Amino acid sequence: AQKVTQAQTEISVVEKEDVTLDCVYETRDTTYYLFWYKQPPSGELVFLIRRNSFDEQNEISGRYSWNFQKSTSSFNFTITASQVVDSAVYFCALSEERYTGTASKLTFGTGTRLQVTL
Amino acid sequence: ETGVTQTPRHLVMGMTNKKSLKCEQHLGHNAMYWYKQSAKKPLELMFVYNFKEQTENNSVPSRFSPECPNSSHLFLHLHTLQPEDSALYLCASSQEPGGQPQHFGDGTRLSIL
Repeated sequence: AQKVTQAQTEISVVEKEDVTLDCVYETRDTTYYLFWYKQPPSGELVFLIRRNSFDEQNEISGRYSWNFQKSTSSFNFTITASQVVDSAVYFCALSEERYTGTASKLTFGTGTRLQVTL
Repeated sequence: ETGVTQTPRHLVMGMTNKKSLKCEQHLGHNAMYWYKQSAKKPLELMFVYNFKEQTENNSVPSRFSPECPNSSHLFLHLHTLQPEDSALYLCASSQEPGGQPQHFGDGTRLSIL
């Protein structure tokens, strides 16, 4: 069975601090996908990134960066120089590979609430 | 504007009412999903539809009845709900095959009196 663990329930930082959100996953599949979503107070889950299990290269997008380490089954997310607009709940998710004609099924973690204050 | 639109945004209903939630996606995706998000609980997948066919029902009580008339529209018909059904209901869509990101709507916040 697949499982995603986000041990940090809530994190509070002051603006401009760097913050790392942890994600640890479990799966028996050799091919899988990892995702991060952001849920602002409005409710919509916003897709941030997808990585496949064969691509361990770290990725940077502006102030966001992701560190995928298969050896520790972790896919951590770092926000550099945090801003108030980063305040949201962040979800890590895992999907097994499916084939043509089948739909994705995401297993979500419980989320980490990030509060960025001035 | 989001590619996945949910209506209504808020709904308050009594336990004996019948109402429906609507979801429409404008992304050309083939798969659609209903999730339930309760306070302090993980997102719970309720139903999955792929090319209009239901492919997953996660032991959801029969008082929730989904309908998918085409790949762009998804409904959740509600009947005789319980107070514990109060939650945010999220709709999502994705392109197949699997492993593709799901795109979510803003959700319907449902309160059962």
